[in-house]
Amino acid sequence: SQKIEQNSEALNIQEGKTATLTCNYTNYSPAYLQWYRQDPGRGPVFLLLIRENEKEKRKERLKVTFDTTLKQSLFHITASQPADSATYLCALDTPRYGNNRLAFGKGNQVVVIP
Amino acid sequence: DGGITQSPKYLFRKEGQNVTLSCEQNLNHDAMYWYRQDPGQGLRLIYYSQIVNDFQKGDIAEGYSVSREKKESFPLTVTSAQKNPTAFYLCASTWRSAGGANVLTFGAGSRLTVL
Repeated sequence: SQKIEQNSEALNIQEGKTATLTCNYTNYSPAYLQWYRQDPGRGPVFLLLIRENEKEKRKERLKVTFDTTLKQSLFHITASQPADSATYLCALDTPRYGNNRLAFGKGNQVVVIP
Repeated sequence: DGGITQSPKYLFRKEGQNVTLSCEQNLNHDAMYWYRQDPGQGLRLIYYSQIVNDFQKGDIAEGYSVSREKKESFPLTVTSAQKNPTAFYLCASTWRSAGGANVLTFGAGSRLTVL
């Protein structure tokens, strides 16, 4: 089965710097790789997705890259703010295999220090 | 506003009792999901339903049951057979076209504690 790895250690970063998170997977590449944000005691919220044939996607201060050769996605938050402090989850989505389920990583916590 | 409503937000249960968590969506989404989240763990899929009157087991279905009698509703029952039910439960839904991305909308979650 697909194994998804996100760094279990929290990322502490100074306000204004760029936070970079990694999502690695082991088996087949998904058709889409998604990123969600989760605040404590709340449900995850979808941020953005990248398709397997895309290298990079941007949305405001967020940037996602996808390297199917390395089986890795990087998630960047530029000009980080304390309000960006949360846990970020990556999820693999492979609808073409008839799989209607996302596979989620455990998440990586980001703490932005003022 | 469209969204997913989960209730109750917090629930306490004595061992041996069944409890039902409610999930209602007004997004007109076809598919609905139940996940369980434990500290330090990722989201684990309990059950999902792609259409009314049909549902499939996820990775950790033992000790849980669901029904999908209406498109809007997907309640989850945590039975006494679930050995370690204390967790944060998340309901989600999605609409997607064939071959399209499966973007989930989540509810706010229900925290179940077994006393």
